[in-house]
Amino acid sequence: KNQVEQSPQSLIILEGKNCTLQCNYTVSPFSNLRWYKQDTGRGPVSLTIMTFSENTKSNGRYTATLDADTKQSSLHITASQLSDSASYICVVSAPRTDSWGKLQFGAGTQVVVTP
Amino acid sequence: DGGITQSPKYLFRKEGQNVTLSCEQNLNHDAMYWYRQDPGQGLRLIYYSQIVNDFQKGDIAEGYSVSREKKESFPLTVTSAQKNPTAFYLCASSISAAGGTDTQYFGPGTRLTVL
Repeated sequence: KNQVEQSPQSLIILEGKNCTLQCNYTVSPFSNLRWYKQDTGRGPVSLTIMTFSENTKSNGRYTATLDADTKQSSLHITASQLSDSASYICVVSAPRTDSWGKLQFGAGTQVVVTP
Repeated sequence: DGGITQSPKYLFRKEGQNVTLSCEQNLNHDAMYWYRQDPGQGLRLIYYSQIVNDFQKGDIAEGYSVSREKKESFPLTVTSAQKNPTAFYLCASSISAAGGTDTQYFGPGTRLTVL
């Protein structure tokens, strides 16, 4: 079973509107959580990173929140633009074991912004 | 995509052939990774390398091989033993592999199709 679950799988929003993506994880213990943006046919690009002690992190119109108690994170996109059309991937990292800390990837939420 | 290049962007292979995917980075990162991405699934780790001349199997290493003779290069060979190689392959690098705290930077990917 995937230790990082994202919802919804996909969503369509009108340009200028806001949307929120969800990420639930079971990785424990937990080191940090990242959100990546992946344009079609390209590699993922890091948007935000939060440690277990952080509740929120912003990057322009992107705001990520984290509730380490409930193991939930969300990514809020404000005033969406056509360039926001992409897949958004939640990535959770466990603390260092042996020689490295493995990343667990969610399947992503596909966002389509329409004019 | 930072300073990571992957080539070719598209690759077609006949069944029974081995093919090698190139990954080069000029970020002076010690750690490099190969992931496979399939529709509806999170990225899965094939191999990773924390230092030159050393590499470790990831979750789905069967049918793949790698080498790390130079710090900046981490080629992936998809062998004929890989039964379902059609996928999008992503290479990544990070300063180190320690604890998952270092951000992984991804290349633009190679789409491999078996004919």
